[in-house]
Amino acid sequence: QKEVEQNSGPLSVPEGAIASLNCTYSDRVSQSFFWYRQYSGKSPELIMSIYSNGDKEDGRFTAQLNKASQYVSLLIRDSQPSDSATYLCAVDSRGSTLGRLYFGRGTQLTVWP
Amino acid sequence: DGGITQSPKYLFRKEGQNVTLSCEQNLNHDAMYWYRQDPGQGLRLIYYSQIVNDFQKGDIAEGYSVSREKKESFPLTVTSAQKNPTAFYLCASRLPGQGTTGELFFGEGSRLTVL
Repeated sequence: QKEVEQNSGPLSVPEGAIASLNCTYSDRVSQSFFWYRQYSGKSPELIMSIYSNGDKEDGRFTAQLNKASQYVSLLIRDSQPSDSATYLCAVDSRGSTLGRLYFGRGTQLTVWP
Repeated sequence: DGGITQSPKYLFRKEGQNVTLSCEQNLNHDAMYWYRQDPGQGLRLIYYSQIVNDFQKGDIAEGYSVSREKKESFPLTVTSAQKNPTAFYLCASRLPGQGTTGELFFGEGSRLTVL
């Protein structure tokens, strides 16, 4: 069973602050990494995908990947109340379970005005 | 517009009844997935299919069944053998990647409640 662990929440930050979300994974050969945002009662929506070591920026979001440490993170700059949601880390699987994505339990983020 | 349609959005079932959740996609994706989500939990994989007429069990397949007779459709049946079926069910699809795994696209979900 592949494992994806996310930092336990809930995480609460003031508006305008940087929110930092972390994720570690157990499968050393994973190649694809995703961050999804899920509002309460809704389905997940993709925020970022990252495949190579280093940083990937998209607007206020930055994903960071370190395959040697098996670590992926998501930074949200200038956090807004609309960013309040649960953030899910997802990691792909290789080998006999190729095609699967494993999800962490999620980190609940609250941004207060 | 392309997307994934799940129905029904809300479903109530009496104990001992089988129910079928529908999932249809017009994204021309080969792979389709069913996940289950319980409150405060991440997504757990029930079944997935990477091609028509083929599917594999996920981590929690007991008490569930699927079929993949058409590329566009991947219905999930929750049988009476599933002991605790009350949950939020999510259908997803993706294009197979070339060396990497493409993102999953999700439907809006179906919320099943057993009375």
